[in-house]
Amino acid sequence: AQSVTQLDSHVSVSEGTPVLLRCNYSSSYSPSLFWYVQHPNKGLQLLLKYTSAATLVKGINGFEAEFKKSETSFHLTKPSAHMSDAAEYFCVVRITDSWGKFQFGAGTQVVVTP
Amino acid sequence: DGGITQSPKYLFRKEGQNVTLSCEQNLNHDAMYWYRQDPGQGLRLIYYSQIVNDFQKGDIAEGYSVSREKKESFPLTVTSAQKNPTAFYLCASRTGLGATVEAFFGQGTRLTVV
Repeated sequence: AQSVTQLDSHVSVSEGTPVLLRCNYSSSYSPSLFWYVQHPNKGLQLLLKYTSAATLVKGINGFEAEFKKSETSFHLTKPSAHMSDAAEYFCVVRITDSWGKFQFGAGTQVVVTP
Repeated sequence: DGGITQSPKYLFRKEGQNVTLSCEQNLNHDAMYWYRQDPGQGLRLIYYSQIVNDFQKGDIAEGYSVSREKKESFPLTVTSAQKNPTAFYLCASRTGLGATVEAFFGQGTRLTVV
């Protein structure tokens, strides 16, 4: 069965410093992995996705993630945090079945301080 | 603009009442999903539909019902049998299952039982 584990429920960073959000996955197959961002009382927006192409994936708003099969990880990074990055972030794996279901991590709340 | 529209944004329900949450998409996607979001628990799948007139229970379907009479519409009914319905509900649709796979989300409906 496929699943994802987000290792931090809360991350606090200062504006202008790097952001690291950690995600580990479990999958018997080559997974499709995603990072979504959610601002308060809003829907989810796709930041980036990995679907077996390049292992370093660049997304919107300066975010990127690296797929590491040996470590079963898909960590999200950004070199310099901006106040607008304060939100909740979800790591997601697509379950390999005919229905195309998605399994969500519990989320990481990011706080950015001035 | 293509997208997913959920209505209403906020909904209040008295105990014992059924309520229906609307989800409409104009993305021409076959697959649609309903998720429930509670603090610290990520998103949990309620129901999903691969095609018109077909749908499957997700992980927490008890107390909910859906219909899929049209490709564009996937309404969710929260029945009085749902013991703890207060939550944020998100509707999503999905592209194909290849490298372009992606889930698109509506802006959510916040349901409160009063």
